[in-house]
This record gives sequence, structure tokens and C-alpha cells, in this order.
Amino acid sequence: GAVVSQHPSWVICKSGTSVKIECRSLDFQATTMFWYRQFPKQSLMLMATSNEGSKATYEQGVEKDKFLINHASLTLSTLTVTSAHPEDSSFYICSARTVTLKAAGELFFGEGSRLTVL
Amino acid sequence: GESVGLHLPTLSVQEGDNSIINCAYSNSASDYFIWYKQESGKGPQFIIDIRSNMDKRQGQRVTVLLNKTVKHLSLQIAATQPGDSAVYFCAEMMGAQKLVFGQGTRLTINP
Repeated sequence: GAVVSQHPSWVICKSGTSVKIECRSLDFQATTMFWYRQFPKQSLMLMATSNEGSKATYEQGVEKDKFLINHASLTLSTLTVTSAHPEDSSFYICSARTVTLKAAGELFFGEGSRLTVL
Repeated sequence: GESVGLHLPTLSVQEGDNSIINCAYSNSASDYFIWYKQESGKGPQFIIDIRSNMDKRQGQRVTVLLNKTVKHLSLQIAATQPGDSAVYFCAEMMGAQKLVFGQGTRLTINP
């Protein structure tokens, strides 16, 4: 089946630094990628929708200057957490879909990236 | 953002019993629903889906029921096994553009 890979799977950084998380579709072209954030014991919250070659669409309450999303190719989207603070510590999950979403089989999730900001 | 989280409710069942996990969705215009299983430290794993023109769909050991009148979904797991222990989320497709997750339920299997 299709695979979405996230890197790094976990990262620890100091407060004030920036961290980049990559989301790659390994064997298919992803026209759209979604970024989610999940705090402990909570659900996945959609942060933004990323379309290849265009600006990401952010959900209400998500700071676009804080969470920079780039989707430069059909197989790669990146999320950069700028000037990270301890409250940004979370589990970040991406998902990717192909041209049309007809069934869940066309929406694939990565294994997540755990960010810890000290 | 959407799907603001609360602490997850928990369901405990005996191994071998059937489990029923419930979910209320928010948008009456949503026409596609999915159940996911999430194990600790991993991404969501697809279990089963259902479209709004159906009220029941069965898979292997799992059944999803949809009640559009009250905007309610349920996931039934037959003969639960230790490997079923996880957090289960329902998700609704809004406008074929994005997938929004529900609150989630932690399922614990007692031996």
C-alpha cells in the first residue's frame, strides 16, 4: 500500500529555535497534504491544508507565520515550527492524498513526528 | 481550530466481548465518514468507512453504523482481542476537502 513517511520521527530542540518536519509520499504523487497536531490524550486537530505549488490554507487559530508550510513538489511537504516554545511541544502528523479523494484508501497518514521544546 | 480536544473517554471491555464505540459528528452536510485506530506514538490507521447514503457497513470483525438523523456514528468490534487496545477516532469529510477528527475513545481490553 501507499506509504507516507515523516522525518524526523522525534526531535528535541531548545526554545527559540526553528524545527522542520518533512512529509513525503513514497510511492504516489500527493497533490494535497494535510498537517495535524495532536496534544497528549487529545484528538487530531487540523492545522492546515497544503496544495502543491500554492500557499497553504490554515485553519482558524493557527498562525501561518509560526507554522510555515511548503509543498514544493508532489511528493514533499514541510512544516517548519518557527521560534518554537514549550507550548508547541506536540505530535505532528501529516496525511497525503492523490488527485481525487474517493475513499479513505486514497488518504494516507504518516507515523507522526513528536516535537519536544525545552 | 476544529475538533478541539478534551481528555479522551475510556471504554474497558473483557477480551472476547463485543465493543461499541460511539461518535457524534458536527456537520450535517458531511457525506463521508471514517473510523481510525491509533496506537501509542503512531499515526492513525484506517479501519472502515461509510458514505452517507448507507446506514451500515461491515468489515472483518468491525461494523460501522450511521444515523444521520441524530448525527451519530458507531463502531462495533466483535470478539475484541488484546491487539484492539488503542484510541479510536471517527472522522468526517467536509466538502471533500478536509478530514476532521472527532474526540476519540480509548479502548482497553481486560484479560
